[in-house]
Amino acid sequence: DAGVTQSPTHLIKTRGQQVTLRCSPKSGHDTVSWYQQALGQGPQFIFQYYEEEERQRGNFPDRFSGHQFPNYSSELNVNALLLGDSALYLCASSLGTGVANEQFFGPGTRLTVL
Amino acid sequence: KNEVEQSPQNLTAQEGEFITINCSYSVGISALHWLQQHPGGGIVSLFMLSSGKKKHGRLIATINIQEKHSSLHITASHPRDSAVYICAVPSGGGADGLTFGKGTHLIIQP
Repeated sequence: DAGVTQSPTHLIKTRGQQVTLRCSPKSGHDTVSWYQQALGQGPQFIFQYYEEEERQRGNFPDRFSGHQFPNYSSELNVNALLLGDSALYLCASSLGTGVANEQFFGPGTRLTVL
Repeated sequence: KNEVEQSPQNLTAQEGEFITINCSYSVGISALHWLQQHPGGGIVSLFMLSSGKKKHGRLIATINIQEKHSSLHITASHPRDSAVYICAVPSGGGADGLTFGKGTHLIIQP
């Protein structure tokens, strides 16, 4: 039973470019949440997808968007990249949308914006 | 919105010592998560608790809902316990998702 997987592992982009990160949830999970973790900080909640819709959103600009597919996998898109977008991007899957549900995290994608 | 404070920020101890990491939050919650993050980024969920105490191997987590405080204890610590330990709570106050502490960086020396 595969856990949460993310791709790519590492990514280097330049300012102004666009990036797409991918996440496959743990088998049986229907909800995917995305987090941004800057160096030395705790993760920050970006948004959550359930039933192919954005259900919850943190304090992130519209440059951050996402999608969930019928197989529950998800993408995070970031447009017009800024240097400050450099971070580890984590996705987590759960069964249901409740914040009290246990979340299983992927290994993350490290994004560097030059 | 919930605010989370963890202490200490950094902790170095000798193998075998009893470790305590603390987490305080500002808004009442339905559940609190304790997470472990190793170098390289991977996060593992250790506990999710809403009251009382949970134990898993050498790890013990307690929560006091009235005092808005939780502790993570490690008994008979081992160098492989070296990691960053993070607590997370529902953001509350109209905000979505979880709010995470900055983490406690634990080093266990042999």
